This record gives sequence, C-alpha cells and structure tokens, in this order.
Amino acid sequence: SYELTQPPSVSVSPGQTARITCSGDALPKQYGFWYQQKPGQAPVLVIYKDTERPSGIPERFSGSSSGTTVTLTISGVQAEDEADYYCQSADSIDTVFGGGTKLTVL
Amino acid sequence: EVQLVQSGTEVKKPGESLKISCKGSGYTFTTYWIGWVRQMPGKGLEWMGSIYPPNSDTRYSPSFQGQVTISADKSISSAYLQWNSLTASDTAIYYCARNLPVPAAIERYYYYYMDVWGKGTTVTVSS
Repeated sequence: SYELTQPPSVSVSPGQTARITCSGDALPKQYGFWYQQKPGQAPVLVIYKDTERPSGIPERFSGSSSGTTVTLTISGVQAEDEADYYCQSADSIDTVFGGGTKLTVL
Repeated sequence: EVQLVQSGTEVKKPGESLKISCKGSGYTFTTYWIGWVRQMPGKGLEWMGSIYPPNSDTRYSPSFQGQVTISADKSISSAYLQWNSLTASDTAIYYCARNLPVPAAIERYYYYYMDVWGKGTTVTVSS
C-alpha cells in the first residue's frame, strides 16, 4: 500500500525554524496537505494544496513542494506550536495520511 | 460558525453493533462531502471513507471497505458511521470532517482533504 513518510520527531528551540518533510512517490502529481494535532484535540488544517494557508493560521506556517517531497516550515517557532503534524495526500485515488511527526519545542 | 458536532463516548462489548453520528451546522450541509478518520490509541490518522450527502455517493478506503458503513441523512444535516459487529481492534477515536475534493492523478477521480473537524467520538470495545 502507498505510504507517505515523515520523520517521527523534530526538535527546535523557540524562535528557530522547524522543517517537517513528507515523502511519497505520487507527490509530484498530487497536492500535499498538513494538519496540526495538539494532545487531546482534533486535528486542524494548517496548509492546503502544498502552499496555501487557511484563514486564521499564523503566517509563520508555510508549505513547499519539490519532487517527491512536501515540506511544512514553521518560522519563529513558539511554545504553542508543540504538537503532532500529519501530512496528507493520495496514492492514485485514495486519501492517505503520513505517520505523523512530533514537534518538540525545547 | 461552521461546526461538526459528534455523538458522545461509547463503551461496547465485542460483537455488539454501533452507529455514531456527526451533525453539521453553520454551512450548507449538502454542498460538501463528509469523511471519517480513525485514530487508534497513540497512533496516527487513517482515512476511512467519505460520503456526499445529496446522493449518498460513498467512497471507502480499501482498508475499511466491508468493515464499516458510512451513511447520511441530508434532511437533518447528519452523517453516520456504523459497525455490525465490533471487535477490540475498533477501539479508537473517530473524527468526522468536512471534506473538499481535489482532482486525483486519474481523470474523473477525486481525493479529499479536511478543512473542518469534529471533536471526535471515543469508542471503547472491551469484554
């Protein structure tokens, strides 16, 4: 079955830049999406269609795409950004999530 | 305000049936797909399937096809997820989410992303 591969964990200090990658063979042909999930809460969409930011999401969240990898970048990380982050896309037609990345703010 | 309100926590025994619900408000329910996502304890997100309420057109993940039934009642802006016979491996949090379609790599097919989520329904199956 199709997989989207994310690093299990990323750690950054407050104010630094965090980059979370997501790799998948179909990503050159499919958009990537990113969700933030804090403990005990439902996921929240933070990036859609590779680079678009929903209203209400801080500007420090941005997305990019290159080849088989999409990347979520959080500039000037704040303590409140500590959460699990999931990428999402599709194989040919089925919606697929990555395994998730735990972002720790040191 | 766009909201998806899910039904409450369920504790069931193996072999029992269950139907959980998701009610949309603050938007035109029949304009969007609704999807269901499973999160097993300590694990990641898994797309289960999505339904289009106007005609109940339903797409299932291959992993969940035949294991659950997704339905909707557009007259009351609600979607449902149903099991006929629960097992312990169904223990999880189940989220409904408003789905937006995205053209897939295969012509005339779509996949979905989730722009608004419900708070989740916790289902525990234990003898």
